[in-house]
Amino acid sequence: GENVEQHPSTLSVQEGDSAVIKCTYSDSASNYFPWYKQELGKRPQLIIDIRSNVGEKKDQRIAVTLNKTAKHFSLHITETQPEDSAVYFCAAPWGSGYSTLTFGKGTMLLVSP
Amino acid sequence: NAGVTQTPKFRVLKTGQSMTLLCAQDMNHEYMYWYRQDPGMGLRLIHYSVGEGTTAKGEVPDGYNVSRLKKQNFLLGLESAAPSQTSVYFCASTIAETQYFGPGTRLLVL
Repeated sequence: GENVEQHPSTLSVQEGDSAVIKCTYSDSASNYFPWYKQELGKRPQLIIDIRSNVGEKKDQRIAVTLNKTAKHFSLHITETQPEDSAVYFCAAPWGSGYSTLTFGKGTMLLVSP
Repeated sequence: NAGVTQTPKFRVLKTGQSMTLLCAQDMNHEYMYWYRQDPGMGLRLIHYSVGEGTTAKGEVPDGYNVSRLKKQNFLLGLESAAPSQTSVYFCASTIAETQYFGPGTRLLVL
């Protein structure tokens, strides 16, 4: 099955700085990589995803990059704001297809005003 | 449209007791999942279902059973609760890639 490693486990930045979270995966056949955001006491929600046929995807202040050769993908948040403070999870397919996911252990991002 | 709902929100059990967690979705999704979330461990898949009447094991299925008798409901059962099953349980559903999570059930086993 897929093994997903996520780093760092915690990340503290000042408002306006950029934040980068990196994940590595083990199954070279994996082709779908989502990122979920979980605010304190809330449910996880998808914020962005990328498929293996593209190297980068952007959505306003967030972007995800994928390096299939090195088997890693990263979440980039620019111009961080206090409301970006949350736990972020990366994931990769578990088993065949993309219907089941293996999640990383999460990164707690703290954005200080 | 309530999305994904979970019942109950919070429960305290004694070791050896049994209980059932209910997940319901009104989005006509085929796939449903049960995860547990523990500090520093992320979300781990317990069981999942690809359609009414089907279930399959996830990464950490031991000590749990599931049933999907109706498309909109996915039940998670603990036959004999253990302190190691203290956790937050999330249900999710999907029709494509995006998983929609319920609000979670916090379970404490004493």
